[in-house]
Amino acid sequence: ETGVTQSPTHLIKTRGQQVTLRCSSQSGHNTVSWYQQALGQGPQFIFQYYREEENGRGNFPPRFSGLQFPNYSSELNVNALELDDSALYLCASSRTSGRLGDTQYFGPGTRLTVL
Amino acid sequence: DQQVKQNSPSLSVQEGRISILNCDYTNSMFDYFLWYKKYPAEGPTFLISISSIKDKNEDGRFTVFLNKSAKHLSLHIVPSQPGDSAVYFCAARTGGTSYGKLTFGQGTILTVHP
Repeated sequence: ETGVTQSPTHLIKTRGQQVTLRCSSQSGHNTVSWYQQALGQGPQFIFQYYREEENGRGNFPPRFSGLQFPNYSSELNVNALELDDSALYLCASSRTSGRLGDTQYFGPGTRLTVL
Repeated sequence: DQQVKQNSPSLSVQEGRISILNCDYTNSMFDYFLWYKKYPAEGPTFLISISSIKDKNEDGRFTVFLNKSAKHLSLHIVPSQPGDSAVYFCAARTGGTSYGKLTFGQGTILTVHP
């Protein structure tokens, strides 16, 4: 069984640029969630995608957007990068079945540095 | 507004002893709680979870206790091993339309000394 994978591992961008991060969900999972983890903090929920639609969003501006594809993989896009966007971006996949206990499994993350 | 708090930034224990990691929450709508472990350069790894209808859940060396009246949960690791050294995050989830959103604490760095 393949786990959650993310690409790239590391990325350096300059302020104002745009970035796309990618995530492949674990086999059998149909839901992808994205989190931002700043240094010394816990992960913060950005949004979740289920059946290719956004299914909940955290307190992040519209310049953070996403996509989910028919194979359940996902992209996170961030426009007009700011210095504070420097963080570890984590993707988590899960299987939504309407029951409690659909645990989210995380990928290794993408470290984004904005200069 | 920090709805999930881990007030101890770090914890140091001897190998073989018990490690107790604590977590407090403020949102009474949370109905499911999880613990994750994170090593450097890796994503968080799921450890154990508990539903709000229970007060204890065990899985091998790991036990999670939930005290709903105190809005407090704890993770017990017995016996602790050097490989348990990592950052531990507690997380909580509500039902309904916020089903997918996990709210995390800031993490506690556990160091287990041989």
